[in-house]
Amino acid sequence: GDSVTQMEGPVTLSEEAFLTINCTYTATGYPSLFWYVQYPGEGLQLLLKATKADDKGSNKGFEATYRKETTSFHLEKGSVQVSDSAVYFCALKGNTPLVFGKGTRLSVIA
Amino acid sequence: EPEVTQTPSHQVTQMGQEVILRCVPISNHLYFYWYRQILGQKVEFLVSFYNNEISEKSEIFDDQFSVERPDGSNFTLKIRSTKLEDSAMYFCASSGDSIQQETQYFGPGTRLLVL
Repeated sequence: GDSVTQMEGPVTLSEEAFLTINCTYTATGYPSLFWYVQYPGEGLQLLLKATKADDKGSNKGFEATYRKETTSFHLEKGSVQVSDSAVYFCALKGNTPLVFGKGTRLSVIA
Repeated sequence: EPEVTQTPSHQVTQMGQEVILRCVPISNHLYFYWYRQILGQKVEFLVSFYNNEISEKSEIFDDQFSVERPDGSNFTLKIRSTKLEDSAMYFCASSGDSIQQETQYFGPGTRLLVL
């Protein structure tokens, strides 16, 4: 069945560092891909999405490009802030309900 | 901006008791979902609901679970006889039109603790 694999966390970065969180997927057909973020004590918030190959989703300085050839949707940000500390979930939506990765915890220190 | 709301934010119950988790989806959305996240684990799909009936459910959603849309705004998840392993964060979500394409918007969750 469909699945999502994310890099293991936790990830700890200094403020203004570059962030990459890897995400690869397995799916039949052409799924839509999402990144959700969960700030401490809060629910899931949609961060960005891409619905077809080569689409780039972006929001709040974060970007991810839907790469069909590598079945990847890596999340990047050029300069992280302390306020970006959260758990990030990669997810896909194909012919199934939303399938989530295990989440990657990011801690940004000043 | 419209948002999904859930009540209560926290619920503590004794094993074997019934609990009802409540959600108010975004008002013009047509598709409704419940997910759960056991502490430290991934978010798992439970059930989807459209046109007043279940459209899909996972293996987790057994006979102890039920969903209902009792009026035009609320969407509820009932667990009839809670077990210790039902302790989790339960998220409600809703989406607009096409179940295949539309983005799901999540509520803040209800943290359920079964003792």
